[in-house]
Amino acid sequence: QKEVEQDPGPLSVPEGAIVSLNCTYSNSAFQYFMWYRQYSRKGPELLMYTYSSGNKEDGRFTAQVDKSSKYISLFIRDSQPSDSATYLCAMSAQDDKIIFGKGTRLHILP
Amino acid sequence: NAGVTQTPKFRVLKTGQSMTLLCAQDMNHEYMYWYRQDPGMGLRLIHYSVGEGTTAKGEVPDGYNVSRLKKQNFLLGLESAAPSQTSVYFCASSYWFSGATGTYEQYFGPGTRLTVT
Repeated sequence: QKEVEQDPGPLSVPEGAIVSLNCTYSNSAFQYFMWYRQYSRKGPELLMYTYSSGNKEDGRFTAQVDKSSKYISLFIRDSQPSDSATYLCAMSAQDDKIIFGKGTRLHILP
Repeated sequence: NAGVTQTPKFRVLKTGQSMTLLCAQDMNHEYMYWYRQDPGMGLRLIHYSVGEGTTAKGEVPDGYNVSRLKKQNFLLGLESAAPSQTSVYFCASSYWFSGATGTYEQYFGPGTRLTVT
């Protein structure tokens, strides 16, 4: 079993909808959780960082971590065509390595 | 403030040739990483460094070597390139995580597209 699992999509939603992106993981030592956005032919850009369990909100983005279920989510409210990108989850324990999911391709339809 | 830069942006190698990819950051970050990204595979960690003079292996280190002689630079070397090393290579730099009360800062470079024929 891979350490971090993420559905590759593509996920297509209409403009204005709420988007839900998810990752599951197997390593219970993970305690740092991140979400990145990557536009085509560009480097990833850090969107959200969460430590341990709980929620974090930044504008239209909300990150949730449920360590008991080994499950993390990213919600995008009022989705825009400019949100169309690949979204990658990533996580780390105390050993300094950051492990990424495979990414989910998201299309926001105007 | 240039952030993270990578040199070169594109390269074509023949099997068996060697090359070095350079990553430079101007944010005084302690941590630097090399990843490769292949279609359907996400980002896979090759090697990383937690400070000047240190290196450590990631998920897919075979066929690569790294050096961190200066804090701002992280070099990735391919001694004998193979077609399986055709990929997009990304460098990243960061501070370490600050826990529940702080923020986290990490930046990626624009990538190097390497083709090995």
